[in-house]
Amino acid sequence: QITLKESGPTLVKPTQTLTLTCTLSGFSLSTTGVGVHWVRQPPGKALEWLAIIYWDGDTWFSPSLKSRLTLSKDTSKNQVVLIMTDMDPVDTATYYCARLHWINKCFDSWGQGTLVTVSS
Amino acid sequence: EIVLTQSPGALSLSPGERATLSCRASQSVSGTYLAWYQQKPGQAPRLIIYGASSRATGIPDRFSGSGSGTDFTLTISRLEPEDFGVYYCQEFGDSLWTFGQGTKVEIK
Repeated sequence: QITLKESGPTLVKPTQTLTLTCTLSGFSLSTTGVGVHWVRQPPGKALEWLAIIYWDGDTWFSPSLKSRLTLSKDTSKNQVVLIMTDMDPVDTATYYCARLHWINKCFDSWGQGTLVTVSS
Repeated sequence: EIVLTQSPGALSLSPGERATLSCRASQSVSGTYLAWYQQKPGQAPRLIIYGASSRATGIPDRFSGSGSGTDFTLTISRLEPEDFGVYYCQEFGDSLWTFGQGTKVEIK
């Protein structure tokens, strides 16, 4: 069974750095073709794609957030870590990780999401 | 960067009726990389259509997708009460992913 689970702080202060972890189960980050995305959704708003990391370590980022994002993976723990710097209240959102469907480039499995609130 | 525009923003239909949701891209998109998701309140999105017209695992056949180029459609042939939620289209191009703004489906 494929599962993804996000973890991290629920509250961060403005200007702080957010670190979120996605723990994978049922598939391996070391398998060719595997990719893991991060997507966020502000309350009551639409989904926004943030970034992807591939099995080979290659990463791609949303142009609007590229300067603030870092993605890394720990294959031994089967985890992906997202770092977002200089957090602002507009970054308040539910953050999801999701698995890449290699052939059709869609999101075929999702984590439950974690709500991150940015407030002083 | 491709922009996906979904219409209508919301629709309210009775069980058994047909729902037609539109997704229009600002430039041509490969159908291979066009997908639809359903999201219910408090839940993560769920993949329902990929490759513009292929149903994901476990998705009932009342859901169908069609289209090409810049115009894509998600059709729910006979609405069931559990089909309420927000539906998003999504595309992939130039190593980037984009979502539409969503269509909210309300069951009367």
